Amino acid sequence: EVQLVESGGGLVQPGRSLRLSCSASGFTFGDYTMTWFRQAPGKGLEWIGFIRSKTYGGTPEYAASVKGRFTISRDDSKSIAYLQMDSLKTEDTAMYYCTRAICSTTGCYAPDYWGQGTLVTVSS
Amino acid sequence: EIVMTQSPATLSVSPGERATLSCRASQSVSSNLAWYQQKPGQAPRLLIYSASFRATGIPARFSGSGSVTDFTLTISSLQSEDVAVYYCQQYNDWPPWTFGQGTKVEIK
Repeated sequence: EVQLVESGGGLVQPGRSLRLSCSASGFTFGDYTMTWFRQAPGKGLEWIGFIRSKTYGGTPEYAASVKGRFTISRDDSKSIAYLQMDSLKTEDTAMYYCTRAICSTTGCYAPDYWGQGTLVTVSS
Repeated sequence: EIVMTQSPATLSVSPGERATLSCRASQSVSSNLAWYQQKPGQAPRLLIYSASFRATGIPARFSGSGSVTDFTLTISSLQSEDVAVYYCQQYNDWPPWTFGQGTKVEIK
């Protein structure tokens, strides 16, 4: 059974950092592009970014709203994806979800499995 | 950035009736369009990928159609458990992948 479990959320002050983890099981982690999304309270879904599988370079892509502040990485030996969030702002308050997708040089398939999310609250 | 526009914002449908949700892209996304269902307090669940293919375990009453810029999600016979917000998402072009603002489906 495919499982994605996010952790690391919590209350953090503006300007501080937080690292989220996404622990995966039930599939060959290294074959997948790992993607992060977020959803602010009462709002819609927003793509944050993804990291490709090592087969396709293991490189990340980011949304403009987080580029330069957030870093996505992966540890295939542990089947974990990370989202390092620096210089946090109040508008980063949201539920953060990780998902998996298949991406190649020509494009991607839709993310299929989603974790249950971890809540990040940025407030003084 | 590709802008996704969903309509209507809210849809009220009687049990057993058909629900039709629309999604329009500001430029071509080919068939790289997904639909997700999100119930209160839950993570989104993939319903449809590549515009018209049902994801694993999704009931046959859910169907998707369209291509290029205009897409439709149809629930052929609405059940009470289908009450949710439905989002379309394009994954043809990045950054970023983008979502519509959602359509809330209610029971009339």
